[in-house]
Amino acid sequence: DSGVTQTPKHLITATGQRVTLRCSPRSGDLSVYWYQQSLDQGLQFLIQYYNGEERAKGNILERFSAQQFPDLHSELNLSSLELGDSALYFCASSVREGGYGYTFGSGTRLTVV
Amino acid sequence: AQSVTQLGSHVSVSEGALVLLRCNYSSSVPPYLFWYVQYPNQGLQLLLKYTSAATLVKGINGFEAEFKKSETSFHLTKPSAHMSDAAEYFCAVSDGRSARQLTFGSGTQLTVLP
Repeated sequence: DSGVTQTPKHLITATGQRVTLRCSPRSGDLSVYWYQQSLDQGLQFLIQYYNGEERAKGNILERFSAQQFPDLHSELNLSSLELGDSALYFCASSVREGGYGYTFGSGTRLTVV
Repeated sequence: AQSVTQLGSHVSVSEGALVLLRCNYSSSVPPYLFWYVQYPNQGLQLLLKYTSAATLVKGINGFEAEFKKSETSFHLTKPSAHMSDAAEYFCAVSDGRSARQLTFGSGTQLTVLP
């Protein structure tokens, strides 16, 4: 157990729907990162938050959004889902902003049908 | 912009043999470099990291990697492979020293043969 908790572990939903993925960072970690892992694109950085503020943005679609709450948990919202959004979504956390490697959660596997 | 190339999407070694997984990077700023391992149905686990201190970095499970600036390489090695090393390995480079964003290579699947 890495200490980073992601729920749910699996999610199956239909095209056009909206889902929310949740991440609880390790105790004491202030920074949260979201990554998407798919067969065709590999691991892609989506977005990073530090103590509630957005700090870096990667290849995140406009249909996707995220936030980090005062208790430091984070949610990734995916809307108007398409078949191509099927992937593993990982959350990672670190005490400070990057620099020394993250701790990853075990991921949420999203299947869009 | 950063990029990472992992040579060989699949590598097979015999148990007890040397493991060598190759990683070359491109970065416009001094990089931090990382190796992660992913076991089936699990998240990524940090093996080791280079953050501009010693160029030879030792990690967990007997792995080590050497940063060679002249070759822009950060190859991962282990002297003697164990069956438990079978997994997918990812090399990653940071977006500079802030390392807010990691760019990952496409991964190398390591198979260990008995």
